[in-house]
Amino acid sequence: SAVISQKPSRDICQRGTSLTIQCQVDSQVTMMFWYRQQPGQSLTLIATANQGSEATYESGFVIDKFPISRPNLTFSTLTVSNMSPEDSSIYLCSVGRGGSTEAFFGQGTRLTVV
Amino acid sequence: AQSVTQPDIHITVSEGASLELRCNYSYGATPYLFWYVQSPGQGLQLLLKYFSGDTLVQGIKGFEAEFKRSQSSFNLRKPSVHWSDAAEYFCAVAISGGYQKVTFGIGTKLQVIP
Repeated sequence: SAVISQKPSRDICQRGTSLTIQCQVDSQVTMMFWYRQQPGQSLTLIATANQGSEATYESGFVIDKFPISRPNLTFSTLTVSNMSPEDSSIYLCSVGRGGSTEAFFGQGTRLTVV
Repeated sequence: AQSVTQPDIHITVSEGASLELRCNYSYGATPYLFWYVQSPGQGLQLLLKYFSGDTLVQGIKGFEAEFKRSQSSFNLRKPSVHWSDAAEYFCAVAISGGYQKVTFGIGTKLQVIP
């Protein structure tokens, strides 16, 4: 299994500001994923972050709005830029390992934009 | 692209009653299928998964699911529900081997009444 720590667990932010969410894994992993869960909605994949390469964004998500860093095999950050109330969501970090088909999830970051 | 349908947004059952949560998927081949549970304020926990072999899979917390190719379904069941099972349940599908992008259903919120 993998133990994933996300920080912060929750935050209330002013519109127009940016928030960086950290994801730390207790072991090296190949793939890291960032999801968004809007109120009353399912999880939507934002991007895939592999170490040593640019993140791959899903349709509807762009790097300028959600820049991602992946400096090593145990850490990643997601920044939500120029926030608006529509960005109020839970953001979850997920990891996968080569040879395993199970995805492990962090506890999520509950973001409220006012 | 694969998709997942969970037709029941909200289900209420009495404690001790049986439970079945429905899930239908759309994909040309046999996908990798998952059920996750999300308790209030918690991250996602994997209940069970199906890749191949026996179409009835056992998971944690007394849950099981049956893969029916002819119906493109992967319904989750539990013979006797406990109050602690109240949570949101997500069916998910991934294509190919290894951990790939996972597509989630919209989720079914389970309420358990005494």
